[in-house]
Amino acid sequence: QVQLVQSGSEVKKPGASVKLSCKASGYPFTSYPINWVRQAPGQGLEWMGWISTHSGNPTYAQGFTGRFVFSLDTSVGTAYLQINTLKGEDTAVYYCARPGILDTFDIWGQGTMVTVSS
Amino acid sequence: DIQMTQSPSTLSASVGDRVTITCRASQSINSWLAWYQQKPGRVPDLLIYKASTLESGVPSRFSGSGSGTEFTLTISGLQPDDIATYYCQYYNSYPYMYSFGQGTIVEIK
Repeated sequence: QVQLVQSGSEVKKPGASVKLSCKASGYPFTSYPINWVRQAPGQGLEWMGWISTHSGNPTYAQGFTGRFVFSLDTSVGTAYLQINTLKGEDTAVYYCARPGILDTFDIWGQGTMVTVSS
Repeated sequence: DIQMTQSPSTLSASVGDRVTITCRASQSINSWLAWYQQKPGRVPDLLIYKASTLESGVPSRFSGSGSGTEFTLTISGLQPDDIATYYCQYYNSYPYMYSFGQGTIVEIK
C-alpha cells in the first residue's frame, strides 16, 4: 500500500546535526513532491517546505531557511531532512507528507521525534 | 505569506452539541482550505478539502463552509470519538504553498 516510513527517534546535543529519512513505497516516487512538517511538543503543525522529487529542487518556508536541508535519493525512493547546528527549540516531531491529486496531504509518515538536549 | 488564524484555541462542549470552529485567512484564498483532525499521538487525518468537500469515509456530522477569508468547520452532534485537535490548512499548488492554523482543541465538558 501507499506509505511513507520515517526513521527512528533521535537524541542529539545542541550544535550537532541530524539527518532524518522518509522512505516512500506503493507509488512512483517521482510523481509526487515530499513536504516536511514540524510539530513541537504540545504545539501545532508548521509547514517547513517541500522538495520536488522530479527535479530535486527544495523550497523552504519562512523560518526554515539556513539550517534545514531537504534532499533526495531517488534510487531508493527516499527523502531526507537534515537539520544543522541543532538548538533546543528544534525538539519536535518531524513529519514527511505527500500531497495527493487534490494537493492536500493524503499520506503522512509516522513522524520522527528529535530531542535536542545537553 | 498567507497567515491562518483559528478560533477558539480550546473548545469544551457536551456530547451531542453542535460545535463550530472558525478559520480566517490573511487574504483571500478562494476555497483552497482543508481541515485535519489530529488525535493525541496520532498523525493528522484529512476531514475536508476545498472548504466544504468531505473526504471519503469521514462521518457526515462533519461539515465545512466558507470562501475567501472566512471558513468554518462544524461538528453536528459531538461524539466522544471527536476529541482531538483540529487544524485548518491553506493549500496551493504550482508552486506548492501551505499554511496551517494554530489548531483548536476540542474537549468534552
